[in-house]
Amino acid sequence: AQSVTQPDARVTVSEGASLQLRCKYSYSATPYLFWYVQYPRQGLQLLLKYYSGDPVVQGVNSFEAEFSKSNSSFHLQKASVHWSDSAVYFCALSTAGDNSKLIWGLGTSLVVNP
Amino acid sequence: EAAVTQSPRNKVAVTGGKVTLSCNQTNNHNNMYWYRQDTGHGLRLIHYSYGAGSTEKGDIPDGYKASRPSQENFSLILELATPSQTSVYFCASGDAARFDTQYFGPGTRLLVL
Repeated sequence: AQSVTQPDARVTVSEGASLQLRCKYSYSATPYLFWYVQYPRQGLQLLLKYYSGDPVVQGVNSFEAEFSKSNSSFHLQKASVHWSDSAVYFCALSTAGDNSKLIWGLGTSLVVNP
Repeated sequence: EAAVTQSPRNKVAVTGGKVTLSCNQTNNHNNMYWYRQDTGHGLRLIHYSYGAGSTEKGDIPDGYKASRPSQENFSLILELATPSQTSVYFCASGDAARFDTQYFGPGTRLLVL
């Protein structure tokens, strides 16, 4: 069965530090992968998506993610975080089949200390 | 600007009462979704739709109905609200042509007393 795992429920970093949020997926065919961000008391916003091609994809606000088929991973990265990046980050998988649904991870809460 | 809007943004209901949550999208997407979000559970899919007149059951449909009268509008109906349905509800529209990229509304906070 398809699944998405975000192994870290909470990550704390200092402002200016680099960041990696981990996402592992389980799916036998070609995955289509997304990262969303949710700021407090708001809806989810799309950060970036991977469909095919270059495994490193750029997103908004200097975020990027790298797809690895061999590791079944799609980790989110940022070179230097700002306090305003504090939010919950969700990884999601689309199988692009008839169901047209996304499979969601449980999210990682990022706390950036000033 | 294309968007997904939800109403009401906050709702207090009584146990056994009927609650209707509304969603409107101007993205012209065929697909629309209703989720609930609870601490420790992430996002859980309640109902979804492929277009006007269609509704499909998601992963947790019990206690909920959905209605899609038009391309733009998708409602979630709680016929007999229970305290366990206290949650934050999100509507999203989805671009099936772009591998189900979904765009979310701001959410509705529902408290059932």
